[in-house]
Amino acid sequence: DIQMTQSPSSLSASVGDRVTITCQASQDISNYLNWYQQKPGKAPKLLIYDASNLETGVPSRFSGSGSGTDFTFTISSLQPEDIATYYCQQYDNLPHFGGGTKVEIK
Amino acid sequence: EVQLVESGGGLVQPGGSLRLSCAASGFTVSSNYMSWVRQAPGKGLEWVSVIYSGGSTYYADSVKGRFTISRDNSKNTLYLQMNSLRAEDTAVYYCARVRLPVDSAFDIWGQGTMVTVSS
Repeated sequence: DIQMTQSPSSLSASVGDRVTITCQASQDISNYLNWYQQKPGKAPKLLIYDASNLETGVPSRFSGSGSGTDFTFTISSLQPEDIATYYCQQYDNLPHFGGGTKVEIK
Repeated sequence: EVQLVESGGGLVQPGGSLRLSCAASGFTVSSNYMSWVRQAPGKGLEWVSVIYSGGSTYYADSVKGRFTISRDNSKNTLYLQMNSLRAEDTAVYYCARVRLPVDSAFDIWGQGTMVTVSS
């Protein structure tokens, strides 16, 4: 099974800051990497698919990059409504989610 | 409107059984890859099971042999039969559509249903 290592597990940043989250796969997964946002008590929401493609309707301050084993998710300018936990997910053979990154406002 | 609505969660004793349902609207369950994902209280997301449009099914090692994913095409509904439940199965269970083979994203999610395994 391919394992996903997501870091950091939590972070605190100010409104307007650039926020970066990384996800590392235990083996090459090409660009089969997706990113989700989950707010408390809500279902996850797809933000980025295939490593770098923005899902329809998602604000452009969210972006993703990477391929192979190393991936990055970025919020270019953190907004109060971005407070949530973010997860990466791969689907090479069977799906696996990263451990999540809780983003808080400083 | 495209949506998924789960039901069937509740309190069950260890060793008991429960069947979760996930009713779809706006798209056809049998033409898509459908999955169950769970989240234990205060924990991250854990993939549980998937059923492909062709009918193949796959399970996480943690539930293999105890859980069964299925669908009823006439009701456009996905199910998860859970047997021999354990305390560690306590979680919110989400159903989701997987956008294979276009990409591998879980693009539509239900609101979740809570399963509590406790005596």
